[in-house]
Amino acid sequence: DAGVIQSPRHEVTEMGQEVTLRCKPISGHNSLFWYRQTMMRGLELLIYFNNNVPIDDSGMPEDRFSAKMPNASFSTLKIQPSEPRDSAVYFCASSLNVGLATLTDTQYFGPGTRLTVL
Amino acid sequence: QKEVEQDPGPLSVPEGAIVSLNCTYSNSAFQYFMWYRQYSRKGPELLMYTYSSGNKEDGRFTAQVDKSSKYISLFIRDSQPSDSATYLCAMSAWGGATNKLIFGTGTLLAVQP
Repeated sequence: DAGVIQSPRHEVTEMGQEVTLRCKPISGHNSLFWYRQTMMRGLELLIYFNNNVPIDDSGMPEDRFSAKMPNASFSTLKIQPSEPRDSAVYFCASSLNVGLATLTDTQYFGPGTRLTVL
Repeated sequence: QKEVEQDPGPLSVPEGAIVSLNCTYSNSAFQYFMWYRQYSRKGPELLMYTYSSGNKEDGRFTAQVDKSSKYISLFIRDSQPSDSATYLCAMSAWGGATNKLIFGTGTLLAVQP
């Protein structure tokens, strides 16, 4: 299995530009998570989907951030307009959730997208 | 106050040492506890998973949970340079449909050969 795939791996953009991050979860997984990691705040959950439906977006910083999951194999996180404080590593993770408290709920992380907003 | 607190380190130890990594938390509803390992410029990967209180051992790694003290630990015996990474604790109140993990900020560990 290829694991969780994220693109691009690195993104450098200027303040005010639109940024789109992409994620392909592990085939067969039904939950998808977007996280942001910074030195100051650590790893923070932004939003997560279950069966392509957003379940909790309370971690999305503000209206400039939006996420979609049009199908089970693809998700995007968009920032518009981007600001320097959005600079961070953004991780996508997926898991197989069957409603039981088992190891099948393990989250598998992608390699991350390192975003720099100048 | 953050829900999960973790000493950021860095922690530097000689090869072969016993390492102790710790997290404290404030939410008494947490019952699923995990340790993730993150190598530089990589995504976190699950290392250990425990439910409720008690100990769990896997090779050189032992995870302990003390729910009465709201304190969890990860012990690494006979540490190796390949153990050098950031270790993140994570916990959840429910492992099912609302599988939301709360992470600590991570402890950077360096094992010197």
